[in-house]
Amino acid sequence: EVQLVESGGGLVKPGGSLRLSCAASGFTFINAWMSWVRQAPGKGLEWVGRIRSKTDGGTTDYAASVKGRFSISRDDSINTLYLQMNSLTTEDTAVYYCTTRYNYGSFWGQGTLVTVSS
Amino acid sequence: DIQMTQSPSSLSASVGDRVTITCRASQDIRNDLGWYQQKPGKAPKRLIYAASSLQSGVPSRFSGSGSETEFTLTISSLQPEDFATYYCLQHNSLWTFGQGTKVEIK
Repeated sequence: EVQLVESGGGLVKPGGSLRLSCAASGFTFINAWMSWVRQAPGKGLEWVGRIRSKTDGGTTDYAASVKGRFSISRDDSINTLYLQMNSLTTEDTAVYYCTTRYNYGSFWGQGTLVTVSS
Repeated sequence: DIQMTQSPSSLSASVGDRVTITCRASQDIRNDLGWYQQKPGKAPKRLIYAASSLQSGVPSRFSGSGSETEFTLTISSLQPEDFATYYCLQHNSLWTFGQGTKVEIK
């Protein structure tokens, strides 16, 4: 069974930093492209960014709204995806989901809430 | 960047109604589009992939159609558990979600 479990959310002050983790199991993580998607309270879904598998270059892409502030990385030895968020603003308040597509399926974690407030 | 325009933003319908939601892409995305259902407090669930392929386990009352720039999600006979918000997602070039369609009970 594919499982994605996010952690690391919480309350942070504007200008602060936070690192989210996503622990993956039930599929071959090393071969998977992984993405982060967020949802501000009462709003729609917004793609944040993605990381390719190492065999596909391991490179990253980001939405314009987070480029230069957020960084996605992965540790294939422990099947974990990361989202490093810097220079946070109140606009970054959202539930953050990790997600992947594998074997014709689309899998999502339960999400972790990040609140940016003074 | 590819923009996705989804309509309507909300609709009211009754159980048994046929419901249609549309997404328009700002450029040709072939069939690189999925449809997702989201209920409050839950992660999105994919219903349709590759524009018209039904995700395993999803009821056959859901169907998708379209290609290039025009796409449609149809629910042939709305059921009580279908009241939710629906999103399209293009993955032809990066990812872009539509704005969402909230399906409410009439």
